[in-house]
Amino acid sequence: NAGVTQTPKFQVLKTGQSMTLQCAQDMNHEYMSWYRQDPGMGLRLIHYSVGAGITDQGEVPNGYNVSRSTTEDFPLRLLSAAPSQTSVYFCASSRGPSGRPGELFFGEGSRLTVL
Amino acid sequence: AQSVTQLDSQVPVFEEAPVELRCNYSSSVSVYLFWYVQYPNQGLQLLLKYLSGSTLVESINGFEAEFNKSQTSFHLRKPSVHISDTAEYFCAVSYPRGTGFQKLVFGTGTRLLVSP
Repeated sequence: NAGVTQTPKFQVLKTGQSMTLQCAQDMNHEYMSWYRQDPGMGLRLIHYSVGAGITDQGEVPNGYNVSRSTTEDFPLRLLSAAPSQTSVYFCASSRGPSGRPGELFFGEGSRLTVL
Repeated sequence: AQSVTQLDSQVPVFEEAPVELRCNYSSSVSVYLFWYVQYPNQGLQLLLKYLSGSTLVESINGFEAEFNKSQTSFHLRKPSVHISDTAEYFCAVSYPRGTGFQKLVFGTGTRLLVSP
C-alpha cells in the first residue's frame, strides 16, 4: 500500500531557482492539500484541491503554484525559490465528502533548503 | 480566527509513567478536534478525533482525550507510556463545514520524549 508518495525527499536549491515537489496518492481520494512545517509554527496550509481541475489557496499561498490535472497527482511548484521557503513540505489527501471530516493521510515529507 | 495553543513544546517522561499533553483552542462555536502524531522522519498520522457525541475519545494504542467545552480544551492523556510513544504530537481544530474541505488549524506541536 503506497498511500501518499512525495518526491524528492530532500532538495537543496539556490535562491531564484524553480522546482516542483511531486505528490501522488493511490487511494482515489478527492481532496488533496499541501502544508509546510516550520519549527515552532506547526503545519500551515499552502494550497488545496477538492477535485481534478479545482484548486484554492490556503493560509500561506504566496510563492507557490499548484494544479490538479488528475485525481492522483497534486504537484507543488516553487517558481522562484527564496530562503524563507526553507521548510519541510507535506502533502496530504482525504477521501472527500464521503469521508470522515479532518481525517488526513500524509506523505513522508520533502525537506527543502534554499540557499 | 481559529487558533490552537500547545503550551508545552517538549515533555520528558519516564517509561510507564502517566503523561498529559495540553491543548487549548479558541472558539465559541462548534468545532472538530484532532490529535495527530508524527514519528521521527515520518508524516503525520491521525491518533484520535472528536466530532460529536461522547466527550471522551480513545485511540487504539491507549491514548485518550477529553473534549471540555467550558475550558475549550482537548488534552491528550496516557496512563502509562512506552518508549515507542516518543514522537511529536499535534493538536488541530476545524469548524464543521458540511461535506466541504475541512481546513485544519494545527498547534505548534509537543515533543514527547520517553526515556527508560
